Amino acid sequence: DAGITQSPRHKVTETGTPVTLRCHQTENHRYMYWYRQDPGHGLRLIHYSYGVKDTDKGEVSDGYSVSRSKTEDFLLTLESATSSQTSVYFCAISERRGTDTQYFGPGTRLTVL
Amino acid sequence: AQTVTQSQPEMSVQEAETVTLSCTYDTSESDYYLFWYKQPPSRQMILVIRQEAYKQQNATENRFSVNFQKAAKSFSLKISDSQLGDAAMYFCAYRSANKFYFGSGTKLNVKP
Repeated sequence: DAGITQSPRHKVTETGTPVTLRCHQTENHRYMYWYRQDPGHGLRLIHYSYGVKDTDKGEVSDGYSVSRSKTEDFLLTLESATSSQTSVYFCAISERRGTDTQYFGPGTRLTVL
Repeated sequence: AQTVTQSQPEMSVQEAETVTLSCTYDTSESDYYLFWYKQPPSRQMILVIRQEAYKQQNATENRFSVNFQKAAKSFSLKISDSQLGDAAMYFCAYRSANKFYFGSGTKLNVKP
């Protein structure tokens, strides 16, 4: 299994509070991604990173920001959480060369009350 | 924009039988990759099989195989000799450049 961890694994928070989710990898892969998974929508890309300090938006980026200060860590921040951001969040990594396969972390279940 | 469509929200198969899950995608690019991922109740996303668009030969991995029809933009997954452990959500995914796009998933039930 690819070395990807996410923390926390579960979180319950209140509307309006800031939340940061962390993704950590030990594979030294260049690309890292944040997705959210909701019923009926599959996985939707929030943001991704193609290198340290290099990030770009996905299809559902509003209300989220990211940072990547080192290769192994990719942070997802909800500046002011809303109930619509209740979801399961997955981090993924890939290396463009080679297999181009994307490997996923175990997911974080976030509930915003 | 790239889109991935899985038209079967849920399917059932008898244990030891064969089942095919459908996936279509929309793209104007010629160089891309296609994937099937499995998500059991544990929520872990597990790669099942991948296909490079430039390869005409269909990918196979043990009991799993694909039917890749590039002109039709179709990428179906065939599971042979279905097992109880195959019960899960299955997601079709498309990769181009740096981004991945996922379908909405098909829930596969396996009956003993």
